[in-house]
Amino acid sequence: QKEVEQNSGPLSVPEGAIASLNCTYSDRVSQSFFWYRQYSGKSPELIMSIYSNGDKEDGRFTAQLNKASQYVSLLIRDSQPSDSATYLCAVNPVSGGYNKLIFGAGTRLAVHP
Amino acid sequence: EPEVTQTPSHQVTQMGQEVILRCVPISNHLYFYWYRQILGQKVEFLVSFYNNEISEKSEIFDDQFSVERPDGSNFTLKIRSTKLEDSAMYFCASSEAQGPAYEQYFGPGTRLTVT
Repeated sequence: QKEVEQNSGPLSVPEGAIASLNCTYSDRVSQSFFWYRQYSGKSPELIMSIYSNGDKEDGRFTAQLNKASQYVSLLIRDSQPSDSATYLCAVNPVSGGYNKLIFGAGTRLAVHP
Repeated sequence: EPEVTQTPSHQVTQMGQEVILRCVPISNHLYFYWYRQILGQKVEFLVSFYNNEISEKSEIFDDQFSVERPDGSNFTLKIRSTKLEDSAMYFCASSEAQGPAYEQYFGPGTRLTVT
């Protein structure tokens, strides 16, 4: 069973700090990785995708991928109270086709003023 | 910005009844998906659909479930005889194409409550 693991949190950071969210995955041949943000009672909202080892930056967000360690992370710089949400890591496994995303349980982030 | 839409936002039904959840994917997208999220649990893949055929389905997607693209814009999920454990948020998603580089965009969801 392919798994995506995340620390459930809550991760509490002060406003303006860097929030670091982590995710590990079990399927070594997975190729694409996604971070979604989910506010309570709402749908997953795509933040970033990453496919290659290294860092990918988009505004205040940086995704980091290390395929050798089967590890993907999301950094949020200058955290704002509006960033308070659950962050979902999702993996698109190669085996079985590209037709689905496997989600982690999510990490709840709380940014306090 | 184009978005996936879903109707209804909330559906209440009695056990054993049939429900149809509706989705309008992003207009130039070719791949469509249904996911569900039971309260407090992970988002789970149900089914993917392309070119009027199911391309992959999960163990959850048993004979009680079916999907259809009845016209050029709608994509539906039917549950034939609902059970209490079908109560969940159901999300439709779409992507432009298939493959690791193609991102899936989610609709706002339908909250299904089975009583």
